[in-house]
Amino acid sequence: AQKITQTQPGMFVQEKEAVTLDCTYDTSDQSYGLFWYKQPSSGEMIFLIYQGSYDEQNATEGRYSLNFQKARKSANLVISASQLGDSAMYFCAMREKGGADGLTFGKGTHLIIQP
Amino acid sequence: DTAVSQTPKYLVTQMGNDKSIKCEQNLGHDTMYWYKQDSKKFLKIMFSYNNKELIINETVPNRFSPKSPDKAHLNLHINSLELGDSAVYFCASSPFGYEQYFGPGTRLTVT
Repeated sequence: AQKITQTQPGMFVQEKEAVTLDCTYDTSDQSYGLFWYKQPSSGEMIFLIYQGSYDEQNATEGRYSLNFQKARKSANLVISASQLGDSAMYFCAMREKGGADGLTFGKGTHLIIQP
Repeated sequence: DTAVSQTPKYLVTQMGNDKSIKCEQNLGHDTMYWYKQDSKKFLKIMFSYNNKELIINETVPNRFSPKSPDKAHLNLHINSLELGDSAVYFCASSPFGYEQYFGPGTRLTVT
């Protein structure tokens, strides 16, 4: 079974609209972390936002927020007021076991912002 | 200053050759990682290295070996390269258990 599921292979969104990228996860650990990364066409991996399993408030970083629903094992990324520069691949990832084994990534969502 | 650097950025080589990719981080992090991104953009952990403890993903062939001369470096050695090794390889570092900072990636092409 996949540990990280991103159900949207691709999305087209109009500029300035809000975007929600879906991510569900599967773990039996009580302590884990959830991450979102952006990969533009240039190829680098850019860290966007982090949510710890014990964090009671949803994480926010500028225009990015993480809608964390623990009971549903959901960690959706919300981008407010999308910009053309937001066009990229977006990856959801999870850290388990204290991080010793690295991150487990989803297959990604290719987001295209249209003018 | 670059936080996590990798060299080379591109590597083209023939089957059967042995090659290395170097990674350096200047963030003072305890843990370093190697990931492989395949042609479908799927990222998979290969190794993590923390305080001289190496954790290996069991699916990684033993032709791949990480070498850490010191805390700031984690190099990747690949022996007897195969066509299927063609991918982008990312090095990353983190303070243990927190967000990982990735290098720019090395695109390896095996012909």
